[in-house]
Amino acid sequence: SQQGEEDPQALSIQEGENATMNCSYKTSINNLQWYRQNSGRGLVHLILIRSNEREKHSGRLRVTLDTSKKSSSLLITASRAADTASYFCATDDYKLSFGAGTTVTVRA
Amino acid sequence: DSGVTQTPKHLITATGQRVTLRCSPRSGDLSVYWYQQSLDQGLQFLIQYYNGEERAKGNILERFSAQQFPDLHSELNLSSLELGDSALYFCASSRGSSNTGELFFGEGSRLTVL
Repeated sequence: SQQGEEDPQALSIQEGENATMNCSYKTSINNLQWYRQNSGRGLVHLILIRSNEREKHSGRLRVTLDTSKKSSSLLITASRAADTASYFCATDDYKLSFGAGTTVTVRA
Repeated sequence: DSGVTQTPKHLITATGQRVTLRCSPRSGDLSVYWYQQSLDQGLQFLIQYYNGEERAKGNILERFSAQQFPDLHSELNLSSLELGDSALYFCASSRGSSNTGELFFGEGSRLTVL
């Protein structure tokens, strides 16, 4: 089974709204990463948060990490049509495992 | 552009056949990772090479093999192909051997087995 699991599987929001997705993982980690995948394209790195960090920002992205609950969240603020994509979390076990992803659709 | 190049972009072949997918990592990156992405299995890690040596192995079938050459490019060989092998195959690269840093992904090779 996957190390990281995203929730929800799919999310549909209106342009301008915020999108929040969560990632749960099973074992202890040193860091957790979030990636974006546009349909049929390669994954693109968004942000990395280390186990000793609780929150990190990058532009309209905000990532939190709760190591006691083994969970992370990704918040995209003021969403745009270009944010339509699948979002994956990845944990740094020996094979950099990815979850199944959250598919986000931003409606104009 | 991630700097990772994968060829071919699309490949259609028949069951029982053998194909080779090629990956050129980003300049300076020593690690190459292979992933398989299908609709029902998500993104599955297959194998990692670091500077020519196998570093980590995931859910790679015995019918599949890979290698990394001295110039650091990598090839993934898929043999005795089955319908279920139809998927997007991604290569990614990173600077070091550990999984604590960013991976740079290629655009993938879409394999269709008929």
